[in-house]
Amino acid sequence: GEDVEQSLFLSVREGDSSVINCTYTDSSSTYLYWYKQEPGAGLQLLTYIFSNMDMKQDQRLTVLLNKKDKHLSLRIADTQTGDSAIYFCAVSMNRDDKIIFGKGTRLHILP
Amino acid sequence: GAVVSQHPSRVICKSGTSVKIECRSLDFQATTMFWYRQFPKQSLMLMATSNEGSKATYEQGVEKDKFLINHASLTLSTLTVTSAHPEDSSFYICSASIGHNEQFFGPGTRLTVL
Repeated sequence: GEDVEQSLFLSVREGDSSVINCTYTDSSSTYLYWYKQEPGAGLQLLTYIFSNMDMKQDQRLTVLLNKKDKHLSLRIADTQTGDSAIYFCAVSMNRDDKIIFGKGTRLHILP
Repeated sequence: GAVVSQHPSRVICKSGTSVKIECRSLDFQATTMFWYRQFPKQSLMLMATSNEGSKATYEQGVEKDKFLINHASLTLSTLTVTSAHPEDSSFYICSASIGHNEQFFGPGTRLTVL
């Protein structure tokens, strides 16, 4: 079945850019998501990209998709302390289909 | 945006007892609700999908007699962990969607079985 992999931990200085990487195995994944989970809270959809797109930008967030390499990344510009959270990469075949999640990357912000 | 609540947020129970977790869509009618389980430092694993008024569809390896799901209305789904054991301790998260659209996630319920 589909497998989604991402590193478990990333440490970044406040004000720098954070780049969280993700790889997936099923090339037929159509929707690719980034979710944010803050301590004790549910998942918040940050952004998503269709498989026919290479890039999507939304304020401080930039998503890059390399479909050939099945690689997805999330860049957070000017990282702030409020960005400290676990970021989950996830994919699905269709919008209402089962979502397969990675294990999450814990983003730690250094002062 | 759409809000999904879960109750309780945290529960501790003795081994052998049953625990019910509620998932509610507060400002929309959810045609489909999903139940996930999250172990520490692990991804969310889909347990089952339920449509209002229908029996839930369970993922492979999830015991339907152990994890009872009821989706009696368009705003409420319940997950009952029957005869809970310590290995059932986990973070349970529900999500809800309207038709073929985005899933909105609840804040999760942490279950600890002693």
